[in-house]
Amino acid sequence: GAGVSQSPRYKVAKRGQDVALRCDPISGHVSLFWYQQALGQGPEFLTYFQNEAQLDKSGLPSDRFFAERPEGSVSTLKIQRTQQEDSAVYLCASSRNKDSSEAFFGQGTRLTVV
Amino acid sequence: GQNIDQPTEMTATEGAIVQINCTYQTSGFNGLFWYQQHAGEAPTFLSYNVLDGLEEKGRFSSFLSRSKGYSYLLLKELQMKDSASYLCAVTNDYKLSFGAGTTVTVRA
Repeated sequence: GAGVSQSPRYKVAKRGQDVALRCDPISGHVSLFWYQQALGQGPEFLTYFQNEAQLDKSGLPSDRFFAERPEGSVSTLKIQRTQQEDSAVYLCASSRNKDSSEAFFGQGTRLTVV
Repeated sequence: GQNIDQPTEMTATEGAIVQINCTYQTSGFNGLFWYQQHAGEAPTFLSYNVLDGLEEKGRFSSFLSRSKGYSYLLLKELQMKDSASYLCAVTNDYKLSFGAGTTVTVRA
C-alpha cells in the first residue's frame, strides 16, 4: 500500500474486554514499531520488530500487552483484560531500514476503555 | 533514562516566524527528529539531524548542537495549515524517545 495502515481507527472497549489492533506496514519494510500516545503527550515506545523477530518489547506496560508479526509483514497488538489506563492512541510505524531513520507512521487506533 | 523538553504551546501570526526549542538529556544519541502531527493524524517527518549545524528545507529549518543537548525547529512564513503539534524525538539505535510536543497555533 501507499502508507502504513492501521485498523480499526477507533475502538471502544468495556473494561476487562480483550482487543486486537492491526498494523499493515509499507510493503517490504523490515522494521516495525508500536508506540502508545496518551492525550497531550508524545508517543511512547512499546515494541520493535525486525522482520518477524521481536527484538525489543521493553516498553510493553504489562503482561496484558502482547504483539506479534508472524510472517514479517502485518502486525497485531493485543491487549487482554483492558483497563481504563490503556485508553490512548496506538501508533504503528515501519521503516525499510533497521532503525527509525526513514520511519513512516500510521494514523493510529484510538482506544477508549469504558 | 531519557529527558526531552519542549514548550507546551506557542502562538504566532500568519506570515511570521516561530522557533520551537528542544533540549534533551539521553543515555545515547544517534540523531534527532522533528515531526509534525495534526490532531487525529499520523506524525509526519520534517527533519533529521545527525551532525551539528543548521539544515534548511523550504520554510522549515532545524538546528542541532550535540554538545549542548539542544535543537530547534524554525518555521518561516507561517501559514494557517502549520497549526499542529510539533514533536522532537531522539533516537538511540532503533527506538525513538519523544518529547511531549509543542502545540503551535497560527492566527490570522
